[in-house]
Amino acid sequence: DTGVSQDPRHKITKRGQNVTFRCDPISEHNRLYWYRQTLGQGPEFLTYFQNEAQLEKSRLLSDRFSAERPKGSFSTLEIQRTEQGDSAMYLCASSETPPGLKTADTQYFGPGTRLTVL
Amino acid sequence: DAKTTQPNSMESNEEEPVHLPCNHSTISGTDYIHWYRQLPSQGPEYVIHGLTSNVNNRMASLAIAEDRKSSTLILHRATLRDAAVYYCILRFPNFGNEKLTFGTGTRLTIIP
Repeated sequence: DTGVSQDPRHKITKRGQNVTFRCDPISEHNRLYWYRQTLGQGPEFLTYFQNEAQLEKSRLLSDRFSAERPKGSFSTLEIQRTEQGDSAMYLCASSETPPGLKTADTQYFGPGTRLTVL
Repeated sequence: DAKTTQPNSMESNEEEPVHLPCNHSTISGTDYIHWYRQLPSQGPEYVIHGLTSNVNNRMASLAIAEDRKSSTLILHRATLRDAAVYYCILRFPNFGNEKLTFGTGTRLTIIP
Protein backbone atom coordinates (compact mmCIF):
# COMPACT_ATOMS: atom_id res chain seq x y z
CA ASP A 1 0.00 0.00 0.00
CA THR A 2 1.48 3.32 -1.00
CA GLY A 3 -0.94 5.62 0.80
CA VAL A 4 -0.33 7.85 3.80
CA SER A 5 0.44 5.86 6.91
CA GLN A 6 0.24 6.93 10.54
CA ASP A 7 1.58 5.35 13.65
CA PRO A 8 0.29 4.48 16.14
CA ARG A 9 -3.36 4.08 15.20
CA HIS A 10 -4.46 4.39 18.80
CA LYS A 11 -2.80 5.91 21.84
CA ILE A 12 -4.07 6.03 25.40
CA THR A 13 -2.13 8.15 27.82
CA LYS A 14 -2.49 9.76 31.20
CA ARG A 15 -2.86 13.48 31.63
CA GLY A 16 0.51 15.18 31.82
CA GLN A 17 2.38 12.64 29.72
CA ASN A 18 4.06 13.43 26.41
CA VAL A 19 3.04 11.66 23.20
CA THR A 20 4.51 11.57 19.71
CA PHE A 21 2.80 10.56 16.50
CA ARG A 22 4.41 9.74 13.17
CA CYS A 23 3.17 10.29 9.65
CA ASP A 24 4.68 8.82 6.50
CA PRO A 25 3.36 10.64 3.44
CA ILE A 26 2.97 9.29 -0.04
CA SER A 27 6.41 9.01 -1.56
CA GLU A 28 7.58 12.18 -3.28
CA HIS A 29 4.71 14.30 -1.96
CA ASN A 30 6.34 17.56 -0.91
CA ARG A 31 3.43 18.88 1.14
CA LEU A 32 2.36 17.49 4.49
CA TYR A 33 -0.51 18.57 6.70
CA TRP A 34 -1.69 17.81 10.22
CA TYR A 35 -5.35 18.12 11.19
CA ARG A 36 -7.26 17.35 14.38
CA GLN A 37 -10.81 16.02 14.52
CA THR A 38 -13.09 15.77 17.53
CA LEU A 39 -16.30 13.78 17.65
CA GLY A 40 -19.03 15.13 15.40
CA GLN A 41 -16.84 17.85 13.90
CA GLY A 42 -14.95 18.17 10.67
CA PRO A 43 -11.16 18.09 10.75
CA GLU A 44 -9.41 21.29 11.86
CA PHE A 45 -6.11 22.40 10.39
CA LEU A 46 -3.09 22.36 12.70
CA THR A 47 0.00 22.87 10.58
CA TYR A 48 1.49 22.54 7.10
CA PHE A 49 4.93 21.73 5.71
CA GLN A 50 6.35 22.21 2.27
CA ASN A 51 9.35 19.91 2.17
CA GLU A 52 11.05 20.47 5.54
CA ALA A 53 9.79 24.02 6.04
CA GLN A 54 6.84 24.57 8.36
CA LEU A 55 4.93 27.26 6.49
CA GLU A 56 1.77 27.69 8.52
CA LYS A 57 0.60 26.95 12.04
CA SER A 58 -2.92 27.29 13.38
CA ARG A 59 -3.66 29.14 16.56
CA LEU A 60 -4.94 25.75 17.76
CA LEU A 61 -1.31 24.65 17.88
CA SER A 62 -0.42 25.78 21.38
CA ASP A 63 3.14 25.81 22.68
CA ARG A 64 2.60 22.27 23.97
CA PHE A 65 2.40 21.07 20.36
CA SER A 66 5.38 20.78 18.07
CA ALA A 67 5.67 19.30 14.61
CA GLU A 68 8.74 18.48 12.60
CA ARG A 69 9.58 17.19 9.17
CA PRO A 70 13.36 17.02 9.38
CA LYS A 71 14.23 15.62 5.97
CA GLY A 72 11.16 16.56 4.06
CA SER A 73 9.79 13.03 4.23
CA PHE A 74 8.10 11.69 7.38
CA SER A 75 6.75 14.03 10.04
CA THR A 76 6.22 13.82 13.78
CA LEU A 77 3.69 15.61 15.94
CA GLU A 78 4.50 15.82 19.64
CA ILE A 79 2.14 16.89 22.38
CA GLN A 80 3.74 17.71 25.70
CA ARG A 81 1.91 17.63 29.04
CA THR A 82 -1.23 16.21 27.49
CA GLU A 83 -4.62 17.43 28.70
CA GLN A 84 -8.00 15.74 28.43
CA GLY A 85 -8.98 18.32 25.83
CA ASP A 86 -6.28 16.94 23.55
CA SER A 87 -8.31 13.75 23.09
CA ALA A 88 -9.08 13.63 19.39
CA MET A 89 -8.25 11.98 16.08
CA TYR A 90 -5.04 13.37 14.62
CA LEU A 91 -5.00 13.17 10.83
CA CYS A 92 -2.09 13.56 8.47
CA ALA A 93 -2.41 14.37 4.78
CA SER A 94 0.06 14.78 1.96
CA SER A 95 -0.04 16.26 -1.50
CA GLU A 96 2.04 17.42 -4.43
CA THR A 97 2.36 21.06 -5.31
CA PRO A 98 -0.05 21.41 -8.23
CA PRO A 99 1.22 22.66 -11.57
CA GLY A 100 0.60 26.33 -12.15
CA LEU A 101 -0.81 28.78 -9.65
CA LYS A 102 -4.52 28.37 -10.30
CA THR A 103 -5.13 24.86 -9.07
CA ALA A 104 -5.49 23.73 -5.47
CA ASP A 105 -3.80 20.52 -4.39
CA THR A 106 -5.57 17.22 -3.77
CA GLN A 107 -4.83 16.06 -0.25
CA TYR A 108 -4.53 12.37 0.57
CA PHE A 109 -5.30 11.51 4.17
CA GLY A 110 -4.00 8.79 6.40
CA PRO A 111 -6.22 6.72 8.72
CA GLY A 112 -5.43 8.92 11.71
CA THR A 113 -4.15 8.39 15.23
CA ARG A 114 -6.83 8.36 17.89
CA LEU A 115 -5.57 9.87 21.13
CA THR A 116 -7.35 9.32 24.43
CA VAL A 117 -6.10 11.26 27.44
CA LEU A 118 -7.29 9.86 30.74
CA ASP B 1 -13.20 32.93 4.10
CA ALA B 2 -16.38 32.23 2.17
CA LYS B 3 -18.49 29.66 3.99
CA THR B 4 -20.64 26.76 2.91
CA THR B 5 -23.95 25.49 4.26
CA GLN B 6 -24.94 21.83 4.02
CA PRO B 7 -27.78 19.81 5.52
CA ASN B 8 -26.68 17.91 8.60
CA SER B 9 -27.95 14.58 7.32
CA MET B 10 -29.60 12.85 4.39
CA GLU B 11 -30.88 9.38 3.64
CA SER B 12 -31.07 7.57 0.35
CA ASN B 13 -32.00 4.12 -0.85
CA GLU B 14 -29.34 1.86 -2.21
CA GLU B 15 -28.93 1.87 -5.98
CA GLU B 16 -30.75 5.21 -6.34
CA PRO B 17 -29.19 8.57 -7.22
CA VAL B 18 -28.26 10.94 -4.43
CA HIS B 19 -28.12 14.72 -4.68
CA LEU B 20 -26.13 16.41 -1.92
CA PRO B 21 -26.63 20.19 -1.87
CA CYS B 22 -24.21 22.90 -0.80
CA ASN B 23 -24.92 26.61 -0.52
CA HIS B 24 -22.08 29.11 -0.84
CA SER B 25 -23.73 32.47 -1.42
CA THR B 26 -20.57 34.48 -0.62
CA ILE B 27 -18.33 32.58 -3.02
CA SER B 28 -15.78 34.70 -4.84
CA GLY B 29 -15.04 34.47 -8.53
CA THR B 30 -11.79 32.61 -7.94
CA ASP B 31 -12.99 30.07 -5.36
CA TYR B 32 -13.03 26.46 -6.45
CA ILE B 33 -15.69 24.12 -5.04
CA HIS B 34 -14.15 20.95 -3.63
CA TRP B 35 -15.86 17.89 -2.18
CA TYR B 36 -14.29 15.42 0.19
CA ARG B 37 -15.93 12.55 1.99
CA GLN B 38 -15.06 10.65 5.14
CA LEU B 39 -16.03 7.02 5.44
CA PRO B 40 -16.47 5.64 8.97
CA SER B 41 -13.18 5.26 10.85
CA GLN B 42 -11.15 6.62 7.93
CA GLY B 43 -9.50 9.86 6.94
CA PRO B 44 -11.24 12.10 4.41
CA GLU B 45 -10.85 11.37 0.72
CA TYR B 46 -11.09 13.66 -2.28
CA VAL B 47 -14.20 13.27 -4.41
CA ILE B 48 -14.35 16.02 -7.03
CA HIS B 49 -13.87 19.73 -7.62
CA GLY B 50 -14.96 22.40 -10.08
CA LEU B 51 -15.00 26.12 -10.80
CA THR B 52 -17.86 26.98 -13.14
CA SER B 53 -18.70 24.09 -15.41
CA ASN B 54 -20.25 20.82 -14.34
CA VAL B 55 -17.69 18.09 -13.74
CA ASN B 56 -17.79 14.31 -13.90
CA ASN B 57 -15.38 11.67 -12.67
CA ARG B 58 -15.57 8.00 -11.81
CA MET B 59 -16.86 8.72 -8.32
CA ALA B 60 -19.44 11.44 -8.84
CA SER B 61 -20.70 14.46 -10.74
CA LEU B 62 -20.65 18.06 -9.61
CA ALA B 63 -23.37 20.40 -10.81
CA ILE B 64 -22.64 24.09 -10.25
CA ALA B 65 -25.37 26.70 -10.42
CA GLU B 66 -25.00 29.39 -13.03
CA ASP B 67 -24.55 32.09 -10.35
CA ARG B 68 -22.16 29.74 -8.47
CA LYS B 69 -23.99 30.36 -5.20
CA SER B 70 -24.82 26.70 -4.84
CA SER B 71 -23.67 23.32 -6.07
CA THR B 72 -24.82 19.72 -5.92
CA LEU B 73 -22.77 16.57 -5.61
CA ILE B 74 -24.45 13.74 -7.45
CA LEU B 75 -23.85 10.09 -6.75
CA HIS B 76 -25.49 8.35 -9.66
CA ARG B 77 -26.17 5.03 -8.02
CA ALA B 78 -25.57 4.92 -4.29
CA THR B 79 -24.07 1.84 -2.70
CA LEU B 80 -23.66 0.99 0.96
CA ARG B 81 -20.04 1.98 0.62
CA ASP B 82 -21.11 5.57 -0.10
CA ALA B 83 -22.34 6.01 3.47
CA ALA B 84 -20.07 8.78 4.74
CA VAL B 85 -19.87 12.40 5.79
CA TYR B 86 -19.60 14.62 2.73
CA TYR B 87 -17.86 17.97 2.99
CA CYS B 88 -18.24 20.87 0.56
CA ILE B 89 -15.21 23.18 0.77
CA LEU B 90 -14.34 26.41 -1.03
CA ARG B 91 -10.70 26.85 -1.97
CA PHE B 92 -8.88 29.84 -3.35
CA PRO B 93 -5.72 28.46 -4.92
CA ASN B 94 -3.06 30.84 -3.74
CA PHE B 95 0.03 30.82 -1.57
CA GLY B 96 -1.11 30.79 2.03
CA ASN B 97 -4.45 29.11 1.31
CA GLU B 98 -3.30 25.53 1.15
CA LYS B 99 -5.23 24.20 4.13
CA LEU B 100 -8.66 22.62 3.89
CA THR B 101 -11.35 24.28 6.01
CA PHE B 102 -13.96 21.67 6.84
CA GLY B 103 -17.46 22.39 8.13
CA THR B 104 -19.60 19.73 9.76
CA GLY B 105 -20.67 18.24 6.41
CA THR B 106 -23.66 16.09 5.50
CA ARG B 107 -23.92 12.63 6.97
CA LEU B 108 -25.29 10.38 4.24
CA THR B 109 -27.06 7.18 5.27
CA ILE B 110 -27.74 4.55 2.64
CA ILE B 111 -30.77 2.35 3.23
CA PRO B 112 -30.40 -1.20 1.89
